[in-house]
Amino acid sequence: SQQGEEDPQALSIQEGENATMNCSYKTSINNLQWYRQNSGRGLVHLILIRSNEREKHSGRLRVTLDTSKKSSSLLITASRAADTASYFCATGLSGYALNFGKGTSLLVTP
Amino acid sequence: NAGVTQTPKFQVLKTGQSMTLQCAQDMNHEYMSWYRQDPGMGLRLIHYSVGAGITDQGEVPNGYNVSRSTTEDFPLRLLSAAPSQTSVYFCASSYHPPGQESTRGYTFGSGTRLTVV
Repeated sequence: SQQGEEDPQALSIQEGENATMNCSYKTSINNLQWYRQNSGRGLVHLILIRSNEREKHSGRLRVTLDTSKKSSSLLITASRAADTASYFCATGLSGYALNFGKGTSLLVTP
Repeated sequence: NAGVTQTPKFQVLKTGQSMTLQCAQDMNHEYMSWYRQDPGMGLRLIHYSVGAGITDQGEVPNGYNVSRSTTEDFPLRLLSAAPSQTSVYFCASSYHPPGQESTRGYTFGSGTRLTVV
C-alpha cells in the first residue's frame, strides 16, 4: 500500500502566490523526498529531507518535516506558470525502493 | 547523455500478447525500479533490483517478470498482456539505496505509455 498521501489533491493559484502542499506517511522513515512531474514526462527529484532534519531550503522551495506527526510540507514561494505540475512525496520502502503518494496537481495561472 | 532510457515510448498490444519494456542507465546505478502510473493512483512499485542478479517484488508484481543480468539494463516483461495493464510505466535508478540516509534520490526515465486492447 502507498505510504505517503498528499493533500490537497489539486491546487490552483495565481502567479506570485505561494503554494503549500502536504504529505502524511505511516511508518518511520530515513528520509522523505519530493518530486515534480510535468504533464507527460518522468518525475524529477526536487529535494530530500532526512529524518533528523526539520527544515530544508532549495531556491524557492522549502520543505519541513515533523516526524512526531509523520507529516511533511512543501512550500513553493512566488509561484510561476512554469511551476504547473504534479508534485509527489516519496518515502523509503525497505530502503531499496520508494513508495510514492498519489500527488498534488498544481495549476499556476498568469 | 547520462540518464535513464526507456523504450519504446508508446506501444499498443492485443490481449494475450507478450512484450518487453526496456530500461537502460549509464550512471553505474545499482538500484533500479519499475513503477506503473494510473490516473488517481499515483505510482505503484512493480519490481525492483539492488544489483545485477538480484530482484524483488513490489506492490503489484502479478503479470510481470524482471531480470537483471547487467548493472545497466533492467527489462520488464509482460507475459500475457491484459487490459488492466494499460498504464504508463516508469523506470527509475539510484546510486545509493533510495530509502536510506545516503541517497540522492531517483533518476527517472521518460516513460512508456502502454495500451492493451
